[in-house]
Amino acid sequence: SSELTQDPAVSVTLGQTVSITCQGDSLRSHSVNWFQQKPGQAPVLVLYGRNDRPSGIPDRFSGSSSGNTASLTITGAQAEDEADYYCNSRDNSRDSSVYHVIFGGGTKLTVL
Amino acid sequence: QVQLVQSGAEVKKPGSSVKVSCQASGGSFGSHFISWVRQAPGQGLVWLGWIHPIFGTTHYAQQFQGRVTITTDDSTRTIKMELSSLGLEDTAVYYCARDAVGGTMGRGAFDIWGQGTLLRVSS
Repeated sequence: SSELTQDPAVSVTLGQTVSITCQGDSLRSHSVNWFQQKPGQAPVLVLYGRNDRPSGIPDRFSGSSSGNTASLTITGAQAEDEADYYCNSRDNSRDSSVYHVIFGGGTKLTVL
Repeated sequence: QVQLVQSGAEVKKPGSSVKVSCQASGGSFGSHFISWVRQAPGQGLVWLGWIHPIFGTTHYAQQFQGRVTITTDDSTRTIKMELSSLGLEDTAVYYCARDAVGGTMGRGAFDIWGQGTLLRVSS
């Protein structure tokens, strides 16, 4: 079973652009999903599939993916973007007709 | 808009089992896979498994195989997750979450989450 790797912490100056990366072999075959989680709250889906945003997610959130690396980019970071960010994707089980889900370890984003 | 409402906090002894429920409020689960995800204090998200609410097909993470069972009850629009042989390391908040896209294959894009159920395992 593969894993997804994220940097533990990233910081950005208010109004600047920041990218959070996620690496893993599963990303070569499966799309990545990104979640934002604030303290004491359930995670919120911010991007999924081919860079799709659920309704209500600002367009300053965008994504890209190449090979085994995916990135979540926040263009013009706001104070309310300070949170933990998790990536996940499907991964193939030993029975390749069945999938499971793996999460990255999370990145704590600090907005300075 | 459907909401997922989970059962309340639990305190269990090591070696026992716990069953946590997730009910669809304001709608149904439809054909969207429902997953269970947990988060230990100060730790990241871990996927336990999922179920298709209509077909009843399930798949579990390898690390929980044999200890977790996810079932669906159509009459009450409830999905339950049972975790057995509890250890102190199972202390966590447990979430149910709905896949954003319905169909025959889950994608892990969880767009609706329950409020979380805190499980504390303590002797």
